[in-house]
Amino acid sequence: QKEVEQNSGPLSVPEGAIASLNCTYSDRGSQSFFWYRQYSGKSPELIMSIYSNGDKEDGRFTAQLNKASQYVSLLIRDSQPSDSATYLCAVTWGSEKLVFGKGMKLTVNP
Amino acid sequence: DTAVSQTPKYLVTQMGNDKSIKCEQNLGHDTMYWYKQDSKKFLKIMFSYNNKELIINETVPNRFSPKSPDKAHLNLHINSLELGDSAVYFCASSNNPSGEQFFGPGTRLTVL
Repeated sequence: QKEVEQNSGPLSVPEGAIASLNCTYSDRGSQSFFWYRQYSGKSPELIMSIYSNGDKEDGRFTAQLNKASQYVSLLIRDSQPSDSATYLCAVTWGSEKLVFGKGMKLTVNP
Repeated sequence: DTAVSQTPKYLVTQMGNDKSIKCEQNLGHDTMYWYKQDSKKFLKIMFSYNNKELIINETVPNRFSPKSPDKAHLNLHINSLELGDSAVYFCASSNNPSGEQFFGPGTRLTVL
């Protein structure tokens, strides 16, 4: 059974701080890793994808992948109130389905 | 231009009715999906089609039947609706089965 685990949260950070979101997955054969952001009442929006070990940066977002330890994380630097949302980690194994974690609700306080 | 669109946005119906949700994507993607997001916000795949062929069929009651008339469309028909079917249903598409997926706006189904 392929599973994706996220801390249940919620996570609350002050504006300007770094928000750190973590995700672990059950099977070493996984190949593709994604972070989605979902605002309340809206659809999931892809914000980062990462496929190889290491860091991938895009603006204020950095995804970190460690396949040996089976975790992927998302760092949000200089957090803004507009970053307040639920963040979903998702993992695929080859051409199999995308498995989502249960999400972590982030609140950035002004 | 909307990339992945769904109709209707809201659907309120009585138990036992049959309803359909339509999805269209103009991204030229080969793969399309249906997801269900329950009240606890857990997002779970139901079906996936690649080039009109069913490739993922999760443990879903056979009251749910997907249909893909062409690569750009994937519809979901639900027979004999039950209270537990109330959820938000999302359509998504991707270039390939392991690629980045792009979601439609969702259809909020309420069964009374």
